[in-house]
Amino acid sequence: DGGITQSPKYLFRKEGQNVTLSCEQNLNHDAMYWYRQDPGQGLRLIYYSQIVNDFQKGDIAEGYSVSREKKESFPLTVTSAQKNPTAFYLCASSRVAGVSNEQFFGPGTRLTVL
Amino acid sequence: QQQVKQSPQSLIVQKGGISIINCAYENTAFDYFPWYQQFPGKGPALLIAIRPDVSEKKEGRFTISFNKSAKQFSLHIMDSQPGDSATYFCAASPSPYSGAGSYQLTFGKGTKLSVIP
Repeated sequence: DGGITQSPKYLFRKEGQNVTLSCEQNLNHDAMYWYRQDPGQGLRLIYYSQIVNDFQKGDIAEGYSVSREKKESFPLTVTSAQKNPTAFYLCASSRVAGVSNEQFFGPGTRLTVL
Repeated sequence: QQQVKQSPQSLIVQKGGISIINCAYENTAFDYFPWYQQFPGKGPALLIAIRPDVSEKKEGRFTISFNKSAKQFSLHIMDSQPGDSATYFCAASPSPYSGAGSYQLTFGKGTKLSVIP
C-alpha cells in the first residue's frame, strides 16, 4: 500500500527531554511537511522540505528541528526548548511540480508532556 | 495574520439536511482551494478541491462553490449523514507558476460538523 506512516501513534515525554517523531512515505513525493494541530487552531506549519538535504521553517519552527537525508523520510525532533509541546503532530507529503499542491497526510502522532 | 478565515467553528445539522461551511481568503495569489475532512484521532484526507477557473465543482454529495470577486468559497454537503460528522478544513495555496515562492497550503481553523439522526 502506498501512503505515509508516522510512529509512534502516542508518545509521552518528560519535561526537558528531546523526542523524535518518525515520518516515512512511499509515494515518491518530493515535498514533505510537518504540522502541529491544537484544538481550535487548525493546522500550523512547523517545517517543510521540497528536496533532499534542504528544508525551510514554517510559521512555528521555534523549538523544533528536522532533517531530510532521504527522500522517503522526514523526522521531526521536538526539543526541550519547545515550551508547550503537547499536541497532535501531522506529517504530509506532496509532489513539488504541478498545478496543484495536493497534500497527503499521515495518521498523526499525539505527543503528551508529563 | 490569518489568511484563510473559516466559519462557523461548529455546526449541528439534522440527518438529511444541508451543511454549509464558508471560507474567505485575502491573498489574491491563491489559486488552489482544497477541503479536507478529518475524523477524531486521524489525519486529514482530501475531500474535494477547486481552482478559480470554475465557479462550482460537485463530487457526489459534496459541492464547492467559488466566488473569485468576493474571495470566498464554501463547502456544501447535501443529504448530510451521521457518518459525515467530522472536522472540515478549508485551505488555499498559490500556483507554482505565480512567482509567489513557496506554494504551501494555508489552512482555516476548522469546522466541527455534527450530524444528528
